[in-house]
Amino acid sequence: GDSVTQMEGPVTLSEEAFLTINCTYTATGYPSLFWYVQYPGEGLQLLLKATKADDKGSNKGFEATYRKETTSFHLEKGSVQVSDSAVYFCALSVETSGSRLTFGEGTQLTVNP
Amino acid sequence: NAGVMQNPRHLVRRRGQEARLRCSPMKGHSHVYWYRQLPEEGLKFMVYLQKENIIDESGMPKERFSAEFPKEGPSILRIQQVVRGDSAAYFCASSTYVEEKLFFGSGTQLSVL
Repeated sequence: GDSVTQMEGPVTLSEEAFLTINCTYTATGYPSLFWYVQYPGEGLQLLLKATKADDKGSNKGFEATYRKETTSFHLEKGSVQVSDSAVYFCALSVETSGSRLTFGEGTQLTVNP
Repeated sequence: NAGVMQNPRHLVRRRGQEARLRCSPMKGHSHVYWYRQLPEEGLKFMVYLQKENIIDESGMPKERFSAEFPKEGPSILRIQQVVRGDSAAYFCASSTYVEEKLFFGSGTQLSVL
């Protein structure tokens, strides 16, 4: 079946540090890939997405590139801020499941001033 | 355009009681998804509904759990005879038919004493 694996957390960084959160996937079809962010006490918000190989999703300084050859969708940001502290979820959906998402375990990011 | 509305935000039940969680999708959205987030885990798909129809309930526990999305009114996730293991955050999401983007509510935190 479909699955998403994220790097283990939690991740703690200082402000302005470089961020990478690894995400790999397995899917029976040709998936779309997503990163969602969950701020404390809130629901998930879509951060970025990519729908085909070599697409780069970007938003708020975050980027992720759809790598079909390595089945990966790593999240990166060049300079994190305290306000980026949240839980980040990698997810996929395949055509046969409609909008149903399969999520990774989530990675807690804490950015210290 | 209001977002996905879930209520209550927090729900406390004693073992053996019933829990009813409500979700009003975004205006114009006719597809609703329920996810459960257990402590320290990612979101797990439970059920996918359209108006008056259950499309995919493969993630629902076989007993005590049910969901509906009537022609009028919110979607309801119902848990009968709750047990402590049901304590979790329950998130609802909605979408239009052709879009893959899901909009999430802020969730209902269920605590079973």
